[in-house]
Amino acid sequence: EGQLVESGGGLVQPGGSLRLSCAASGFTFSASSMIWVRQAPGKGPEWISYIDKRSSVIYYADSVKGRFTISRDNAKNSLSLHMNSLRDEDTAVYYCVKDMWERFFDFWGQGTLVVVSS
Amino acid sequence: EIVLTQSPATLPLSPGERATLSCRASQSVGGYIGWYQQKSGQPPRLLIFDAFNRANGIPARFSGSGSGTDFTLTISSLEPEDFAVYYCQHRSAGSGYTFGPGTKLEI
Repeated sequence: EGQLVESGGGLVQPGGSLRLSCAASGFTFSASSMIWVRQAPGKGPEWISYIDKRSSVIYYADSVKGRFTISRDNAKNSLSLHMNSLRDEDTAVYYCVKDMWERFFDFWGQGTLVVVSS
Repeated sequence: EIVLTQSPATLPLSPGERATLSCRASQSVGGYIGWYQQKSGQPPRLLIFDAFNRANGIPARFSGSGSGTDFTLTISSLEPEDFAVYYCQHRSAGSGYTFGPGTKLEI
């Protein structure tokens, strides 16, 4: 099993922007589809975005569509999430996750906390 | 959109006892259900995929069963480290991933 390390979280005002990053190691990142999942305080996990290994297939949850953009750099073993027009309800721990067969979540990073508040 | 419900919401048990957790889908999902364990302050961990297959490193006391709309996660004899929140999960083809609301297994 490999390792995923998220970074870039923090406090941001409503309407602001933030860019999250995920550094991958210990597995063939370029052969793996990747996912972002978030978890609001005291709530269950919520899938928010998927990107396949070539960046040719991308999905977003309705809750973030048009505001968030997922991308990857296979040369740098890196996954990103650009978040715009942030809202209070986007407050959550954001996890970088390796996809398993486009059906399950194989393994997860430790997460990075995003707090949207004025 | 497929909705997953889990029962019970909370399951109070003691170490050594058997735990049975339920997950029901609003329509048939075949066998494409996963189960995850989440301990406080940690990310979820994959336990079971495709309804009954244990993920790497998962102890044999964890087992999954079911198909169609009704699924069960069974922990045959609870260890102290098993007390956590458990989620079931499904992904519909060409669509997003859905989690159930979770079952909290407490001492």
